[in-house]
Amino acid sequence: DAGITQSPRHKVTETGTPVTLRCHQTENHRYMYWYRQDPGHGLRLIHYSYGVKDTDKGEVSDGYSVSRSKTEDFLLTLESATSSQTSVYFCAISELDTNYGYTFGSGTRLTVV
Amino acid sequence: GENVEQHPSTLSVQEGDSAVIKCTYSDSASNYFPWYKQELGKGPQLIIDIRSNVGEKKDQRIAVTLNKTAKHFSLHITETQPEDSAVYFCAAAIRSNDYKLSFGAGTTVTVRA
Repeated sequence: DAGITQSPRHKVTETGTPVTLRCHQTENHRYMYWYRQDPGHGLRLIHYSYGVKDTDKGEVSDGYSVSRSKTEDFLLTLESATSSQTSVYFCAISELDTNYGYTFGSGTRLTVV
Repeated sequence: GENVEQHPSTLSVQEGDSAVIKCTYSDSASNYFPWYKQELGKGPQLIIDIRSNVGEKKDQRIAVTLNKTAKHFSLHITETQPEDSAVYFCAAAIRSNDYKLSFGAGTTVTVRA
């Protein structure tokens, strides 16, 4: 998707290992979000950021941490991956002052074995 | 927090017929209701949205209606085409709550040729 990229696109990792997913935007949007998508649950908010170094928890934040050291990058870290964190992770950006709509990245498919 | 329920979970329609997806929300303070379309292997894309001061909005073949009293909103797709086959998500947000979207579980729409 234009203006927002996620890396990696796919990752397989072992239980107990740390994993970091990256979201990079070129739109200079203030808000960034991490969601996970699982069958039957739609998209659930993990963490979000409302500015550099300003983050807050979403509804499914346990086991995840985030950091935003600059406007364009929002990192999601699984400190010790578990099988329940196998999912597709989506990053989204928005700029409330001009547009309510989210722009989503293409997602990262994470498998924890 | 906000709870959004979406029905049906799957919908199969004949090409040219109409498709309707319904969502309900729990928090009466919600004031923004977008709909997203997700194609296979891609992130969700905003297709239409409605704000709480509007009862209906239309964009070509798609329309959304909102009933704030009953706390439900619906997506209508007319003259369906094969390219309308996708997963559709409804969502709700409170503008003053850092615009955190709560999503429904999704509807898989299949348009039969």
